[in-house]
Amino acid sequence: SYELTQPPSVSVSPGQTARITCSGDALPKQYAYWYQQKPGQAPVLVIYKDSERPSGIPERFSGSSSGTTVTLTISGVQAEDEADYYCQSADSSGTEVFGGGTKLTVL
Amino acid sequence: EVQLVQSGAEVKKPGESLRISCKGSGYSFTSYWISWVRQMPGKGLEWMGRIDPSDSYTNYSPSFQGHVTISADKSISTAYLQWSSLKASDTAMYYCATKGLGDFDYWGQGTLVTVSS
Repeated sequence: SYELTQPPSVSVSPGQTARITCSGDALPKQYAYWYQQKPGQAPVLVIYKDSERPSGIPERFSGSSSGTTVTLTISGVQAEDEADYYCQSADSSGTEVFGGGTKLTVL
Repeated sequence: EVQLVQSGAEVKKPGESLRISCKGSGYSFTSYWISWVRQMPGKGLEWMGRIDPSDSYTNYSPSFQGHVTISADKSISTAYLQWSSLKASDTAMYYCATKGLGDFDYWGQGTLVTVSS
């Protein structure tokens, strides 16, 4: 079955830039979505269609795509950004899938 | 205001059946697919499947096909996730979510299902 691969963890100091990658064979043809999940809360969409930012999401969150990899970039990381981040996309049949998740730690 | 409101937490025994619900409001319920997502304790998000509420067409993840049933009643704007025989490994938080074009993306608050003898 189709898989999206993310690094298990990323650590950055406050004010630095965090980059979280997500790799999958179908990503050149399917949009990727990024979710932030804090403990005890439902996921929140932070990037849609590879690089679009929903209203209400801070400008420090951005997304990009290159070949089979999409990247979530958080510029000027703040303590409140510490969370789990998941990419989501679909395979050629439309079956959706999440990446394994990346725990962002703000040192 | 768009809302997805899920049914409350459940505690069940292995072998029992269960149906949990997700009621949509504040938008056209039949215009957007409803997906179900599992999150086992301390683990990541897993997409289980989805339903088109307009015609009840479903699409399941191979990992969940045959283990759960997704349904919907458009007359009351409610989607369901059901099990015929629960296992301890079904213990998890279950979320419903709806997504459309652009940033139309809403999640329920989650339903915790605990299966224990």
